[in-house]
Amino acid sequence: AQKITQTQPGMFVQEKEAVTLDCTYDTSDQSYGLFWYKQPSSGEMIFLIYQGSYDEQNATEGRYSLNFQKARKSANLVISASQLGDSAMYFCAMSPFSGGYNKLIFGAGTRLAVHP
Amino acid sequence: GAGVSQSPRYKVAKRGQDVALRCDPISGHVSLFWYQQALGQGPEFLTYFQNEAQLDKSGLPSDRFFAERPEGSVSTLKIQRTQQEDSAVYLCASRVGTTNTEAFFGQGTRLTVV
Repeated sequence: AQKITQTQPGMFVQEKEAVTLDCTYDTSDQSYGLFWYKQPSSGEMIFLIYQGSYDEQNATEGRYSLNFQKARKSANLVISASQLGDSAMYFCAMSPFSGGYNKLIFGAGTRLAVHP
Repeated sequence: GAGVSQSPRYKVAKRGQDVALRCDPISGHVSLFWYQQALGQGPEFLTYFQNEAQLDKSGLPSDRFFAERPEGSVSTLKIQRTQQEDSAVYLCASRVGTTNTEAFFGQGTRLTVV
């Protein structure tokens, strides 16, 4: 079964500190993509970062980095130097080859609150 | 516009009514997706279009749900005889091509069935 698990319903972090949001995935596909999206209270899903299953380097995009551990099937998101505007829901998602890469499977999300 | 546009933003329907939700993808984007997001959950896949062809409709929950993209741009998700369990946010997303790259989402349509 294809599944994304996010075990942290809520996380708190102090402004300017780093925070790690956990994500584990389950798939029998060898080729897949892993994504993180941010969903503020306004509702739109904002793309943050992408990691391909064959990428050897961990992906980075500005303050976001993805800690990809393939053997453990984990794809944790690290946000450095948290800002108040980072407060939102964060979703990990997977796009497997068996779905033609045309279907994102989402986790239940983690709500991040950044405190001043 | 520069992003994915969905209308209406909010829709209240009486149980049994038909509704139509519209999605204007980013111009030139080949791929278009519909997702359903229940309160407090992650989005769930409904259907996928490549241009005007509906290549995957495995996520549509029942035959009351129908989606189309007749000219390969604007898409409409139609729900017939709405039921209370259809209450959710319906998200549309588009992607420039067909490879495994990021999809861009609209702000969604919040459907409430009363």
